[in-house]
Amino acid sequence: DTAVSQTPKYLVTQMGNDKSIKCEQNLGHDTMYWYKQDSKKFLKIMFSYNNKELIINETVPNRFSPKSPDKAHLNLHINSLELGDSAVYFCASSPARGGGYEQYFGPGTRLTVT
Amino acid sequence: KQEVTQIPAALSVPEGENLVLNCSFTDSAIYNLQWFRQDPGKGLTSLLLIQSSQREQTSGRLNASLDKSSGRSTLYIAASQPGDSATYLCAAQAGTALIFGKGTTLSVSS
Repeated sequence: DTAVSQTPKYLVTQMGNDKSIKCEQNLGHDTMYWYKQDSKKFLKIMFSYNNKELIINETVPNRFSPKSPDKAHLNLHINSLELGDSAVYFCASSPARGGGYEQYFGPGTRLTVT
Repeated sequence: KQEVTQIPAALSVPEGENLVLNCSFTDSAIYNLQWFRQDPGKGLTSLLLIQSSQREQTSGRLNASLDKSSGRSTLYIAASQPGDSATYLCAAQAGTALIFGKGTTLSVSS
């Protein structure tokens, strides 16, 4: 009964490939997020969706494209992978957008680009 | 633009000590502040959430305080144990997303 789950947990791929990371939450939340933790362990927001609508799109290369087929799922597709994309990607969810709501994080996906 | 700073970056203490981790933020107009724990190679575990209207929250040996006017939060850990060794992250929510500090890595020796 995992609240926020991500697949895969580990992803090793070569430069230039296209890959996807999937995220699912079973908490009934309306809002989902993607965060990136870089090699220096710094966490930054990438995207946020509320009820399948994009509400946050930080300065991220457009090789990254989030997709939300329904409010329980938020996938991240990355085209033409580069070495600098190696990081841990965390999915999170919260009951609604805006302030005051606790965010619940998935276990992370460690992406290694060789 | 909100910036979150955590001091110190690393801390080593012997078992049994009480300790304080510091977090400061530049924009006091926050909704809440959340403290997380991250073990090496693992995900984030939420420890405490303090709403902007609250002054502190407690869970077991952990106590987090919030002073919005000064832009500061502290995480107090009582009677530290080796199992408390981890990286502690604070995150401020001013809009929809969380803005994270770079964390304090705590090592508790037995």
